Amino acid sequence: AQTVTQSQPEMSVQEAETVTLSCTYDTSESDYYLFWYKQPPSRQMILVIRQEAYKQQNATENRFSVNFQKAAKSFSLKISDSQLGDAAMYFCAYVKWGYGNKLVFGAGTILRVKS
Amino acid sequence: NAGVTQTPKFRVLKTGQSMTLLCAQDMNHEYMYWYRQDPGMGLRLIHYSVGEGTTAKGEVPDGYNVSRLKKQNFLLGLESAAPSQTSVYFCASRTQGTLLNTEAFFGQGTRLTVV
Repeated sequence: AQTVTQSQPEMSVQEAETVTLSCTYDTSESDYYLFWYKQPPSRQMILVIRQEAYKQQNATENRFSVNFQKAAKSFSLKISDSQLGDAAMYFCAYVKWGYGNKLVFGAGTILRVKS
Repeated sequence: NAGVTQTPKFRVLKTGQSMTLLCAQDMNHEYMYWYRQDPGMGLRLIHYSVGEGTTAKGEVPDGYNVSRLKKQNFLLGLESAAPSQTSVYFCASRTQGTLLNTEAFFGQGTRLTVV
């Protein structure tokens, strides 16, 4: 079974500081994609960053970067220079290519940003 | 562009009542999905469709039915609502595309309460 585990139900960070959200996943596949989604109070699901499993280079999108450790099946999200607008629920997700290309989500981490 | 639109945004049902949630996408996507979001459990896949006229069961299909009579619409039905179906429901779509086209687009969710 495919599973995604986010071990931190809640995290807090001071504005302008850096925070790392953890994610581990379990798959026997070699070809897959990993994602981080942000869900603010508006409930909208916003794609933050994606990582192709065959790429060794870690993905980066402005203040957001990942630490992808394929052998350890770990995919953490680092947010630098945290801003009040980063406060949200963050979901780690995984998809493998196959019938339906289905996304499997972790339970989520609530990120609080303190001013 | 409207993207993915869910109707309604909020609904309160009495136990045993039925209802249909509508998802409409204007991006000509082949794949469509229905998820439910519950605290501490992330998003779990209910049903999905890989094209017009097709449907398949996801992780938590019991108590729900779906139909995809038109490519742009994916309907989720509750025949006899139960309190356990109180949740936030999300519809998503994605193109079948190539390996590079991996982003799923989400609707804004439907908050359903069954009393």
